[in-house]
Amino acid sequence: DGGITQSPKYLFRKEGQNVTLSCEQNLNHDAMYWYRQDPGQGLRLIYYSQIVNDFQKGDIAEGYSVSREKKESFPLTVTSAQKNPTAFYLCASSAPPWYNQPQHFGDGTRLSIL
Amino acid sequence: DAKTTQPNSMESNEEEPVHLPCNHSTISGTDYIHWYRQLPSQGPEYVIHGLTSNVNNRMASLAIAEDRKSSTLILHRATLRDAAVYYCIPRETGNQFYFGTGTSLTVIP
Repeated sequence: DGGITQSPKYLFRKEGQNVTLSCEQNLNHDAMYWYRQDPGQGLRLIYYSQIVNDFQKGDIAEGYSVSREKKESFPLTVTSAQKNPTAFYLCASSAPPWYNQPQHFGDGTRLSIL
Repeated sequence: DAKTTQPNSMESNEEEPVHLPCNHSTISGTDYIHWYRQLPSQGPEYVIHGLTSNVNNRMASLAIAEDRKSSTLILHRATLRDAAVYYCIPRETGNQFYFGTGTSLTVIP
């Protein structure tokens, strides 16, 4: 079945450490997205990419980095510069036209600080 | 960006219809109205979307007001599996979805 796979499901980060969250899709979608969700809150956009080797900052990109070397993969690195990384991270993908197509989400990665 | 207003929470009895309202008075003429729902500890799931006319699919119906300043998601017979947070999202022709805090639906057996 086609879908979005996020791994790991749970991740722990030590102080000063960078960690990378994986997101893979087999839907052949051009666009991929990363969101952050804090408890009781909605989703906030971190980065998005509409095409391989290109990506754009969302509303809360500081302290995060991404790459898009392959169409099916969009990993997110949470750097040590992100001082409050504890959150639920969600990856999504969609086909064009972006405003008229649904986004498909993975099951998320829950990141905590040790 | 179009702003939305949704009730924080609603309750429904099982097997009864549920009407989830959303106000989006600043919506532009080209914004599609999307609805998603999210179960605890899962990613959001697409429910339905539309532009001007009412829309139906196997999950729900979407009723859009004639002036497009509000819409209503209709679950025809609520089940326990419908208990979730429901997000109403006017989608601009840009690239970003803006998820608010949504409506938390409780289904009572």
